[in-house]
Amino acid sequence: QQQVKQSPQSLIVQKGGISIINCAYENTAFDYFPWYQQFPGKGPALLIAIRPDVSEKKEGRFTISFNKSAKQFSLHIMDSQPGDSATYFCAASKGSARQLTFGSGTQLTVLP
Amino acid sequence: NAGVTQTPKFRILKIGQSMTLQCAQDMNHNYMYWYRQDPGMGLKLIYYSVGAGITDKGEVPNGYNVSRSTTEDFPLRLELAAPSQTSVYFCASNLQGMAGELFFGEGSRLTVL
Repeated sequence: QQQVKQSPQSLIVQKGGISIINCAYENTAFDYFPWYQQFPGKGPALLIAIRPDVSEKKEGRFTISFNKSAKQFSLHIMDSQPGDSATYFCAASKGSARQLTFGSGTQLTVLP
Repeated sequence: NAGVTQTPKFRILKIGQSMTLQCAQDMNHNYMYWYRQDPGMGLKLIYYSVGAGITDKGEVPNGYNVSRSTTEDFPLRLELAAPSQTSVYFCASNLQGMAGELFFGEGSRLTVL
């Protein structure tokens, strides 16, 4: 059972454009929603994260929008750059051990 | 600091062989995790540990075993390797209280033929 559904699977954006990746979750016990960025041959690294008591969080060009009632959250990358080309994973966690449940990933390509 | 170190980076196994993937962290983190990553499937949790001597199953534990004798080390044992275990394996750690922020190693790519 996939508890975090992510779309699209792949995304191609022109330099300077906006990249949008969407995720939906099922388990209302989730209380922490991070996004991870992964470059080829590397492990994922935390990009930005949000808690459900906040509807939006912005860090530089990266913004998370969170809709608790719809159980959806999304990552917006403004002014996308070729260096942003990577795989992005949404995730959700709950519990004291903070186990993460990951989405299936989105491969983002930003064309120069 | 080295962070999370995984060895080996690449390995090819024959069906039925066994091996251990090593993971070590030097950040004094309590929590450690093993994930596997398959194309288009995201990362699936295999096992995790909340401290030395304590381990628990994740979503996909079958065919694997772990131990946690020290805070620093969290090896993953594959017994009787099968083609379905062909994957990229990631070890991660975090400090209790750092909600959701995992620090990952660079991965170990395993192929079972």
